[in-house]
Amino acid sequence: NAGVTQTPKFQVLKTGQSMTLQCAQDMNHNSMYWYRQDPGMGLRLIYYSASEGTTDKGEVPNGYNVSRLNKREFSLRLESAAPSQTSVYFCASSEARKAGSKQYFGPGTRLTVT
Amino acid sequence: DAKTTQPNSMESNEEEPVHLPCNHSTISGTDYIHWYRQLPSQGPEYVIHGLTSNVNNRMASLAIAEDRKSSTLILHRATLRDAAVYYCILRDETGTASKLTFGTGTRLQVTL
Repeated sequence: NAGVTQTPKFQVLKTGQSMTLQCAQDMNHNSMYWYRQDPGMGLRLIYYSASEGTTDKGEVPNGYNVSRLNKREFSLRLESAAPSQTSVYFCASSEARKAGSKQYFGPGTRLTVT
Repeated sequence: DAKTTQPNSMESNEEEPVHLPCNHSTISGTDYIHWYRQLPSQGPEYVIHGLTSNVNNRMASLAIAEDRKSSTLILHRATLRDAAVYYCILRDETGTASKLTFGTGTRLQVTL
């Protein structure tokens, strides 16, 4: 049971390049999330998917797109990377919305945009 | 979302109990109180949650004030592995997904 996995672990991009961050979970969870964490800050929600086939914007969605490929996988795409998107990106998943359900986080992807 | 207020940092000696406070004076009736922690270079991990009553699990205890405007995470015997940033989060259970809104948390330092 791997939990939440993310690829790649590290990535360096030049300004204007595009890339997709991959996330997969093996816990049969309905909901999945993408967060970013800047140095010294808490996590901020970029996008989430309450269930397969649905996606919604979070607090900081500008510059990103997401795809809920199936129940297991939720990808985050940067179409034209900017230095302001240098951050650590975390994917998370949780059971269907019920009171108190836990979120499980992946190990993160460290992205640097030069 | 209702906001929480936590001290920026706290220190503890190993093997001593640690009480991490959190104020949430604007909490609503549908908000659960969640605690997560983030070890260095890792993603956050769930610690404990509660609504009104005090809660215990193998990691920690959560003491919730009667008026629910504050809570305290209690680590009964801190170890070096408990050094982390601890986040107190109010989670609105009425939306379509159980989103978490992280603040800056409390950085706990544990010393020998």
